Amino acid sequence: AQSVSQHNHHVILSEAASLELGCNYSYGGTVNLFWYVQYPGQHLQLLLKYFSGDPLVKGIKGFEAEFIKSKFSFNLRKPSVQWSDTAEYFCAVNANNAGNMLTFGGGTRLMVKP
Amino acid sequence: EPEVTQTPSHQVTQMGQEVILRCVPISNHLYFYWYRQILGQKVEFLVSFYNNEISEKSEIFDDQFSVERPDGSNFTLKIRSTKLEDSAMYFCASSEGPDRTVETQYFGPGTRLLVL
Repeated sequence: AQSVSQHNHHVILSEAASLELGCNYSYGGTVNLFWYVQYPGQHLQLLLKYFSGDPLVKGIKGFEAEFIKSKFSFNLRKPSVQWSDTAEYFCAVNANNAGNMLTFGGGTRLMVKP
Repeated sequence: EPEVTQTPSHQVTQMGQEVILRCVPISNHLYFYWYRQILGQKVEFLVSFYNNEISEKSEIFDDQFSVERPDGSNFTLKIRSTKLEDSAMYFCASSEGPDRTVETQYFGPGTRLLVL
């Protein structure tokens, strides 16, 4: 069965610091990869996704993620965080032989200090 | 921008009672999903629904659970006889379909269920 790991459970940064959140998955076949964000009191929102093509994908609000197939990773990055980026971030994977179900990582709580 | 909506936002029930959680997916979407997140744990897939039948389900989705699309807009999750361990946040999601290999799922705000 596929699984997704997010190694950082809590991250605290100051504004303008750079961000990288790790995401690794265990599945050897073709995957679709997602990052969702959940701002306090709000629902899960799609930040970015990778289906195929350029492994460096750009999402909303200045976020990007890089798919490295050899490392089974899809890390999320942002060069300069803002206080408004305080949220919980979830990596999710859909394996092409698993229908449409998403397998989520455990989430990373990011707190950005003003 | 169209959104998935869920009602109620919070539900408290007694163990053994039946609960129905309601969702209104985005109107032109064809695939519907339920996920749950027990406090402190990962978001877990429960079931997907397409063309008025269950498409996939996880081992969590046992006989106590059922889903229905009673009309053209609602999608419901019924838990027949709730247990303490059913306490969780339940998320509904929808996606456009019918391409099953490349889908973005849009999530609702969730229903927090507490079973006492």
